[in-house]
Amino acid sequence: DAKTTQPTSMDCAEGRAANLPCNHSTISGNEYVYWYRQIHSQGPQYIIHGLKNNETNEMASLIITEDRKSSTLILPHATLRDTAVYYCIVRVGKGLTNFGNEKLTFGTGTRLTIIP
Amino acid sequence: KAGVTQTPRYLIKTRGQQVTLSCSPISGHRSVSWYQQTPGQGLQFLFEYFSETQRNKGNFPGRFSGRQFSNSRSEMNVSTLELGDSALYLCASMKNRPPDTQYFGPGTRLTVL
Repeated sequence: DAKTTQPTSMDCAEGRAANLPCNHSTISGNEYVYWYRQIHSQGPQYIIHGLKNNETNEMASLIITEDRKSSTLILPHATLRDTAVYYCIVRVGKGLTNFGNEKLTFGTGTRLTIIP
Repeated sequence: KAGVTQTPRYLIKTRGQQVTLSCSPISGHRSVSWYQQTPGQGLQFLFEYFSETQRNKGNFPGRFSGRQFSNSRSEMNVSTLELGDSALYLCASMKNRPPDTQYFGPGTRLTVL
């Protein structure tokens, strides 16, 4: 699975949009971009994923650049409950005949702090 | 739909003992993965089970083992506990295979004294 690079930490004012960047310059054509977050000592929470098109759900939006080498997770109106570590992960999708790709490889993530 | 559940939530053991952790996946999910999270090493993949067979394995010693039952529930076992095994153990379930999403449980906090 391709490696990702994220800033170690970010701050965002409450009520503003939080934009979390992720670089995945070695991503291959069949790899998806996933975002999870982890609030202190809880299990990681799935946020969103995408392949090449931008995606939006009730939690966030995912913007993937045209060359797919980077992406941005957008939390449109950040609240204090969005304070967490955010992980960007790339992971192969279907179409492969060999197993071994089911795991998620977590990096160190971005510690997002929402400021009141 | 109920999420992934893990029991127990907290556990204290002493060195040399063994421990068994349990995970119940989301209904209809056939894949269960286990991860270990420590402050020093972060989140690391242990192994994954699908239809009662280990399908994928991380780089952990043989003291760490697991199994999956016909109802997709899974257990992981750690024998001869060491102080370094103190960690948050996370279970994640997935319907079948990528790009199906993995959903995580709340974790079991294991403390080895």
